[in-house]
Amino acid sequence: SQTIHQWPATLVQPVGSPLSLECTVEGTSNPNLYWYRQAAGRGLQLLFYSVGIGQISSEVPQNLSASRPQDRQFILSSKKLLLSDSGFYLCAWSVSTGMGSNQPQHFGDGTRLSIL
Amino acid sequence: SQQGEEDPQALSIQEGENATMNCSYKTSINNLQWYRQNSGRGLVHLILIRSNEREKHSGRLRVTLDTSKKSSSLLITASRAADTASYFCATPRSFSGAGSYQLTFGKGTKLSVIP
Repeated sequence: SQTIHQWPATLVQPVGSPLSLECTVEGTSNPNLYWYRQAAGRGLQLLFYSVGIGQISSEVPQNLSASRPQDRQFILSSKKLLLSDSGFYLCAWSVSTGMGSNQPQHFGDGTRLSIL
Repeated sequence: SQQGEEDPQALSIQEGENATMNCSYKTSINNLQWYRQNSGRGLVHLILIRSNEREKHSGRLRVTLDTSKKSSSLLITASRAADTASYFCATPRSFSGAGSYQLTFGKGTKLSVIP
């Protein structure tokens, strides 16, 4: 069966510090991968998605970046965190068959990021 | 930008009662999905309903889709305390203007089931 792992579960970082959140998927190959951010009481904002190694798409301009160095590994990074980067970060995967929006997505348990 | 909107924002019911949550969306879709999120956890996929389907069941869950009204509902029958969670609808929308469609999620309905 497929599993998705996200770490760390919680993170407290000072403003201006770097960030690296990691997500790995097991039990499937060539998945679509996603990074979302959820602000308190809000819906999910799609930050990045990837359909393959080295292929990253983003819509929202921000100081975050993503990389996919391996098929089942997705990394969210920042060189300098802002207060507004606080939130709940969720990684998800879906099968790559057809359009990504036509498939269920499977989420990790998230990282609670607090910026001080 | 947001596509789906859930209603109500919060719902509190007694155990054993039915819970109904609604979702409205703005543009044509080919499918609509419902997810559940327990506090502090990731989302869990519940049901995907395609645009040519009007109703779908999964255990105590019943989802309807009315494409003419651009709305969907999620019914949880005989609710249990363990159903306490936030429920989100998700619909496809154009992403990055590059012919790609990704899911967009509403703000959710927070359901509290009182034992």
